Amino acid sequence: QITLKESGPTLVKPTQTLTLTCTVSGFSLSTNGVGVAWIRQPPGKALEWLALVHWDDDKRYSPSLKSRLTMTKDTSKNQVVLTMTNMDPADTATYYCAHHVSNAYYLDYWGPGILVTVSS
Amino acid sequence: SYELTQPPSVSVSPGQTSSITCSGDNLGDKYASWYQQKPGQSPVLVIYQDNKRPSGIPERFSGSNSGNTATLTISGTQAMDEADYYCQAWGISAGVFGGGTKLTVL
Repeated sequence: QITLKESGPTLVKPTQTLTLTCTVSGFSLSTNGVGVAWIRQPPGKALEWLALVHWDDDKRYSPSLKSRLTMTKDTSKNQVVLTMTNMDPADTATYYCAHHVSNAYYLDYWGPGILVTVSS
Repeated sequence: SYELTQPPSVSVSPGQTSSITCSGDNLGDKYASWYQQKPGQSPVLVIYQDNKRPSGIPERFSGSNSGNTATLTISGTQAMDEADYYCQAWGISAGVFGGGTKLTVL
C-alpha cells in the first residue's frame, strides 16, 4: 500500500535553512501521472500548499514562497527533499507530504506530518 | 493569486444534512477536492474530481461543483463527522486550499 513519511529537524533557529525528507513506499516517483506535494499547517490554522514535484520532475511552487523553496527528487531512494531558506517563527507548522494524482490534482495519501518549530 | 473561500463554521444536528461551500473564481472549471481533518490527525481525502468518493468513504459524503461554488454535502450527519473540512483546487501554478470549515454536530 502507499505510505509516506516526513523526517527532518523538529527545531530550527531563525534565518536557518530547513531540510525535510519525504520517504515514500508503495509507488515509484517515476510512475506516469503521480507526484509528491508538500503542505504545511501552522498550529490551529489552515492548510497551506507549498510545492509539488511531478513524475517527470516538473516542479511547481507556491507563488508566495517560491523564492525560499526548492524540491529535489531521488527516485532510487524513493525520497523527495524540500528545503526552505531563511526560516522565521511564522514558519512554525506541521509539514506534510502527500501523494498527488497529477491529472486530477488531488492528494489521496498523506504522511503523518512533522512539527517544525522555529525558535532561537 | 487564486483564492478559495469557505465559511469558518457550520453547525448541524445529528441525522440532518450539512452543506459546506467553497467559493472561487470560475471554480466550476476546475476540479475540486475535499479533505476531512480531525484533531491531531492528517487530512483524509473524502471527495475528489468534484463528486467522486475514494474507497472507504461513506456514501453519505457527496460533492458538486458549478459556477463559482463547490459544495460538500453530508447526508445524515453523524457525530463522527465532526471535523475540519478543507476544499482544494489547482490555482494559477500551484495548489490552493480554502481556509477550512469547522463542522460541529450538536
